Amino acid sequence: NAGVTQTPKFRVLKTGQSMTLLCAQDMNHEYMYWYRQDPGMGLRLIHYSVGEGTTAKGEVPDGYNVSRLKKQNFLLGLESAAPSQTSVYFCASSTGGEQFFGPGTRLTVL
Amino acid sequence: AQSVTQLGSHVSVSEGALVLLRCNYSSSVPPYLFWYVQYPNQGLQLLLKYTTGATLVKGINGFEAEFKKSETSFHLTKPSAHMSDAAEYFCAVVSFSGGYNKLIFGAGTRLAVHP
Repeated sequence: NAGVTQTPKFRVLKTGQSMTLLCAQDMNHEYMYWYRQDPGMGLRLIHYSVGEGTTAKGEVPDGYNVSRLKKQNFLLGLESAAPSQTSVYFCASSTGGEQFFGPGTRLTVL
Repeated sequence: AQSVTQLGSHVSVSEGALVLLRCNYSSSVPPYLFWYVQYPNQGLQLLLKYTTGATLVKGINGFEAEFKKSETSFHLTKPSAHMSDAAEYFCAVVSFSGGYNKLIFGAGTRLAVHP
């Protein structure tokens, strides 16, 4: 099993550009999450999903959108990137308790 | 609402010394607690977890943590630090708000181990 995978690993965007981050899990987990990690702030929840076709806002959802069309995939979109979105993004999945994390995507917005 | 406070953003120990990373939580219900470790340029990996039962929990790599309800603490310890323990450590508590389970993370503690 690959666990949780994320693509891409690195990306540089210019302000105003859009992009989609893909998260995939092969553990048949119902719950999936997107976090951002910034120095000194730990992990902050952006959006999450409790099942295929459902999404919900987390702690810092502004500027991001998500979709969960298939149970194994959770997409995070940035419609118009801003420098404040420079961060490391982590995806995770779970059955409701322990979460399993992907390796992260390092995004820089110039 | 649940919350987590990690005391000390940076901890430095000598190789072979005791490691103690502090975590205090706030929860209105019996908590589920976790410690995760993050090595440089990697994702988070579960070290150990407390759900119910024994309050002393053993994890991977020789780490353990003790749940103390009276002190609302879940401190992480390791008797003898190894150079490979250098990493960032996150304490987390499950939040049951809104009918869904989410993890609330502390800000993290970066552990440095020097010879």
